[in-house]
Order: sequence, then structure tokens, then C-alpha cells
Amino acid sequence: DAKTTQPPSMDCAEGRAANLPCNHSTISGNEYVYWYRQIHSQGPQYIIHGLKNNETNEMASLIITEDRKSSTLILPHATLRDTAVYYCIARFYNQGGKLIFGQGTELSVKP
Amino acid sequence: EAQVTQNPRYLITVTGKKLTVTCSQNMNHEYMSWYRQDPGLGLRQIYYSMNVEVTDKGDVPEGYKVSRKEKRNFPLILESPSPNQTSLYFCASSLGSGLAKNIQYFGAGTRLSVL
Repeated sequence: DAKTTQPPSMDCAEGRAANLPCNHSTISGNEYVYWYRQIHSQGPQYIIHGLKNNETNEMASLIITEDRKSSTLILPHATLRDTAVYYCIARFYNQGGKLIFGQGTELSVKP
Repeated sequence: EAQVTQNPRYLITVTGKKLTVTCSQNMNHEYMSWYRQDPGLGLRQIYYSMNVEVTDKGDVPEGYKVSRKEKRNFPLILESPSPNQTSLYFCASSLGSGLAKNIQYFGAGTRLSVL
């Protein structure tokens, strides 16, 4: 898995968009970017993944730069329930085995 | 509803008393895995299973055993628990390697305290 770097913490106002950056400058051409989050000691939850095109689902949007060296997870209208640690992981699409969680970004959504 | 179910959610035990944490998934997933999470160390894989009767060690297997007799179940066994196994444990499952998406689904966690 390529190494990923994320800021340790971020704040966001409730109702505003939360933009969480991730650097993965050594990502290989076949590695996807996955995002998971962990809400206070609950099991990690899959959010979204992508290769090079921008992706959107019911939870979030993923913007990947053209050179694929970085990406941004966007929560369009953050709520208090989005307060969590967000993990960016680079791995091959069909790669089995363990997920390697880094330190992640602790997002605090404030009223 | 697709889910990974762990039991118990909380457990306090004493050193040396054998215990089993159960994990069950209803998604017909081939791959299952156990992680432990400790402050400052993140999530570390204990054991994993690629399919029925196929298990292998992860990064921190010492003191643990697993079995995979049925596709849906993957219990974690601590034959002689010690205080350094006090931790938050997660079971996870996914379709399997080589298959589409390979998204891992996690259980709610088991908080274990060994006195």
C-alpha cells in the first residue's frame, strides 16, 4: 500500500462542507484511494473509493487530482454525527488482506 | 440488513480464563479478519481467513487462536488471556481478494478487559 499523509485534526461548522485532504504522492497507477471513518470506538465504516475520476455517493464526494498524488474527501453538509476519525488508504482494487490504517484525520463538527 | 455481528460487546475477565469472542457475517463473504485497536498503535491485524478452513497469522497473532469451520463464522479464541490483551477488538469481512470492490465491513467491536 502506498503511504498516505493526512492532517491530524480539522474542525468544521455544522451544515458547512468538510474537505479532508490526503496526500499519496507515491501511489502506483493501479492503486485506488479508499476512505473509511471511525466514529468514536465503533467499527470503521467504508465511505467511498476511486481511481482517477471524481466519485460521489450518498455519503460523500471524492476528488482526485489529475496527477493522483492527492485527493480530497468532501462531506457536503457536515452534521454533528460526522464527527469521527477519517482514514485515507491507498491499495489495489482487488487486493485482499489487511487494511493498513494510518493516523487519520480527527474531524470535529461544531454547532 | 448486511452486517457483521460480534459478541459480546463488553467483557471483563481474569488472567488465564479461556474466552471466545464470536463473529458472524450474513453477506456470504469469503474473507474474514480480526483486528485489535490500542491507543497510539492503531488497528493491527491478528488473524485472517481467506475461506473455510483457511486461516493465517496477521501482525500480532501471539496469544490468539481462530477457526473457520463455516463461511459465516470466525471466532477469536484466547486460551489463556493476559492483561496485555486488554484491547478493543474488531471483526471484519469482505468479498475476498481478486473480487470486485473488496470493501471491508466491520463489526461494532468488543471491548475486552483482562484483570
